[in-house]
Amino acid sequence: GAVVSQHPSWVICKSGTSVKIECRSLDFQATTMFWYRQFPKQSLMLMATSNEGSKATYEQGVEKDKFLINHASLTLSTLTVTSAHPEDSSFYICSARDLGTALYGYTFGSGTRLTVV
Amino acid sequence: GESVGLHLPTLSVQEGDNSIINCAYSNSASDYFIWYKQESGKGPQFIIDIRSNMDKRQGQRVTVLLNKTVKHLSLQIAATQPGDSAVYFCAENGNFGNEKLTFGTGTRLTIIP
Repeated sequence: GAVVSQHPSWVICKSGTSVKIECRSLDFQATTMFWYRQFPKQSLMLMATSNEGSKATYEQGVEKDKFLINHASLTLSTLTVTSAHPEDSSFYICSARDLGTALYGYTFGSGTRLTVV
Repeated sequence: GESVGLHLPTLSVQEGDNSIINCAYSNSASDYFIWYKQESGKGPQFIIDIRSNMDKRQGQRVTVLLNKTVKHLSLQIAATQPGDSAVYFCAENGNFGNEKLTFGTGTRLTIIP
């Protein structure tokens, strides 16, 4: 089945620094990937839709200059949290669609736990 | 605004019993629904899905029921096992061509040994 690899699984960074999270579709090509943020005991909130070869589409309230998304190939999307602050500490999850299989095949990565200190 | 929500935030079930997790949605244009299981510190794992042209779909130990009249979705887990303990989310894809999934608030299911 479709596999999405997310790296790193956890990261601790100092306030003011930037962190890059990678999301790879291992056995399929994904023209569209999605980035979610999940705070403790809460649901997944969509941050942005990453489109291969074009600009990402951000959800309302998500700062595009703070959460930089790059989708340079059909198998890789990256999310960079710039100038991270403690309030950015969260669980970040990516998702990709494998249109080669099911009509609506959404597969999720294992998530990245970001802690900003 | 449009939302997908759950009635019960927590549910405890005796091992071996059946469990039912409910979900309400407000977007009448929703045409595809998915149930996910999320274990602590992991990403969501697909359980079962259903299209709006169906009212029931069965998998291994799981059944999803869709009632479009009242915009209600449920997940039934039969003969629950300790490994079923997790948070369960319903998700909705609202419109054909719109790839975004909207997640419900989640229900924490605890299986009591």
